[in-house]
Amino acid sequence: DTEVTQTPKHLVMGMTNKKSLKCEQHMGHRAMYWYKQKAKKPPELMFVYSYEKLSINESVPSRFSPECPNSSLLNLHLHALQPEDSALYLCASSQDTSSSYEQYFGPGTRLTVT
Amino acid sequence: GQNIDQPTEMTATEGAIVQINCTYQTSGFNGLFWYQQHAGEAPTFLSYNVLDGLEEKGRFSSFLSRSKGYSYLLLKELQMKDSASYLCAVSDSGAGSYQLTFGKGTKLSVIP
Repeated sequence: DTEVTQTPKHLVMGMTNKKSLKCEQHMGHRAMYWYKQKAKKPPELMFVYSYEKLSINESVPSRFSPECPNSSLLNLHLHALQPEDSALYLCASSQDTSSSYEQYFGPGTRLTVT
Repeated sequence: GQNIDQPTEMTATEGAIVQINCTYQTSGFNGLFWYQQHAGEAPTFLSYNVLDGLEEKGRFSSFLSRSKGYSYLLLKELQMKDSASYLCAVSDSGAGSYQLTFGKGTKLSVIP
């Protein structure tokens, strides 16, 4: 199974809402990532978890809060977002971060903030 | 920091060969990936080069020259389904763990 799943596929939320994005993989990978991708732009790294610990936070605003409950799951909690946060949010996983391993991407969550 | 450059758009004819170039400047280089991304979908892995030379995988080949900071992706026998964005991504260990930085992507349009 080389699949990374993400839910929901689409999400529309108001600026005062609280919502969560979920990501799951069962490849035994120990590194998981959140990326943000705006239209016609490349994915931008937001967070990296290595062995369930946050190892990289690319200066992401605190209205985005990641959580890694276990080695298979990665969540992104959203609160008080702005319209400019509307984007495709991609989750990815790789074997770990100790070397250049291929990252497997999920299908993404298309987020619209109104 | 890193600087990754690739053409914004390319057009090629079905059945032809196309080469997509990528140049990069980075510290702590640990390999270069090529990903394919269809509109509205997730990136999918195509190839990885860490040593100089050509890696061939079916219709797709990727080349790396570390001394020149240069890579290309070669697509042969183009098919309509190859219309997609192609992302060059450099792996480095500058932050103590390996992570990818993506170029802006090259949108390839394959025409009949």
